[in-house]
Amino acid sequence: RKEVEQDPGPFNVPEGATVAFNCTYSNSASQSFFWYRQDCRKEPKLLMSVYSSGNEDGRFTAQLNRASQYISLLIRDSKLSDSATYLCVVNAYSGGGADGLTFGKGTHLIIQP
Amino acid sequence: GAVVSQHPSRVICKSGTSVKIECRSLDFQATTMFWYRQFPKQSLMLMATSNEGSKATYEQGVEKDKFLINHASLTLSTLTVTSAHPEDSSFYICSAWSSGGLDTQYFGPGTRLTVL
Repeated sequence: RKEVEQDPGPFNVPEGATVAFNCTYSNSASQSFFWYRQDCRKEPKLLMSVYSSGNEDGRFTAQLNRASQYISLLIRDSKLSDSATYLCVVNAYSGGGADGLTFGKGTHLIIQP
Repeated sequence: GAVVSQHPSRVICKSGTSVKIECRSLDFQATTMFWYRQFPKQSLMLMATSNEGSKATYEQGVEKDKFLINHASLTLSTLTVTSAHPEDSSFYICSAWSSGGLDTQYFGPGTRLTVL
């Protein structure tokens, strides 16, 4: 079983719509969780950390369900510039830094005008 | 945010040659640097963890004699792909972390290696 699983998509969504992605992880000892964004042939960039209480950053909302080992990302009022691959990322230790991260394959989002 | 650079951004080489990739943290001292590899349509996979002044720790299945890592200073780590073969063609990305408060990893722009 893969450690971090995501629906690869692509998700084709009209501009202005709301879109949600999910991700499941297999390591119950995972401590920290993130969503990264990766544009084609570029490095991943941190979009947001994910906290148990859920957190929001502008149009983006992330939620974590530890019992189900499930992470979600919601994008409201989607923009053309949101088109990218969204990577679900898990760390076995608290914090995102001191240990290698485990990446999902990513969900490809295409926002259509 | 913190800046990490990689050089070269792209390299094409013949089979059997060695390729060195540099990863630099430009505005902070990186206690730890990580090397990842990403094949087309695949997830980033951690290859090794490199701590300044000590030997790198390699993930299972990654040959340490083939992928030589040197982290000689707090701002520079190098990955050398020795005797590269076509199956080594991939996108190599480094990231850097600092014990001084940056509790996230900052990624370099990546190096696209093509071995003919």
